[in-house]
Amino acid sequence: DGGITQSPKYLFRKEGQNVTLSCEQNLNHDAMYWYRQDPGQGLRLIYYSQIVNDFQKGDIAEGYSVSREKKESFPLTVTSAQKNPTAFYLCATMNRDKRSDTQYFGPGTRLTVL
Amino acid sequence: AQSVTQPDIHITVSEGASLELRCNYSYGATPYLFWYVQSPGQGLQLLLKYFSGDTLVQGIKGFEAEFKRSQSSFNLRKPSVHWSDAAEYFCAVGGYSGTYKYIFGTGTRLKVLA
Repeated sequence: DGGITQSPKYLFRKEGQNVTLSCEQNLNHDAMYWYRQDPGQGLRLIYYSQIVNDFQKGDIAEGYSVSREKKESFPLTVTSAQKNPTAFYLCATMNRDKRSDTQYFGPGTRLTVL
Repeated sequence: AQSVTQPDIHITVSEGASLELRCNYSYGATPYLFWYVQSPGQGLQLLLKYFSGDTLVQGIKGFEAEFKRSQSSFNLRKPSVHWSDAAEYFCAVGGYSGTYKYIFGTGTRLKVLA
């Protein structure tokens, strides 16, 4: 964290609803990432964006959507098509300078489907 | 295929004892290697990273890791564990192969006995 903000910290969703998780950064980093974390499975990449107005699917993109209209923001929408959305979601950023290929993480959002 | 293996899901050590967490990777290009730590309900904090040069790298909180190319390993060590080190530890490998993406291990949860 320290420059990466995720909100809300906790989010509850009813089945069939879409919800949007916010990720904002003031680090001036080009690249942003969304990961999903489940117990015992580590981090799995959902979507990533290397520049504004461009993003690519990660390993588990089905049921999720993103946008990258501003450098500072990379919101993630969990749609009703995501069958098991309850998880901890982490946003990360990276400066694409080759001397600093390090991802920095936000504090996370815990999503629970009721 | 690119992968990261952390063979120990749980490790328990006594406070003051030494610690070694194992990480093995498979990566086609020259890897960038990372260790992160996560406290419950929090984001990931970077402990240390290896890009090139000296194969023994020092990190924060008294941790170090050694890159052994012949063994495809990047094990994390600490000579004397403190109770506050109890957390989950993730190894990751990354680099540029058209895009900047990381692959994370499934994590090792460390318990420290008083």
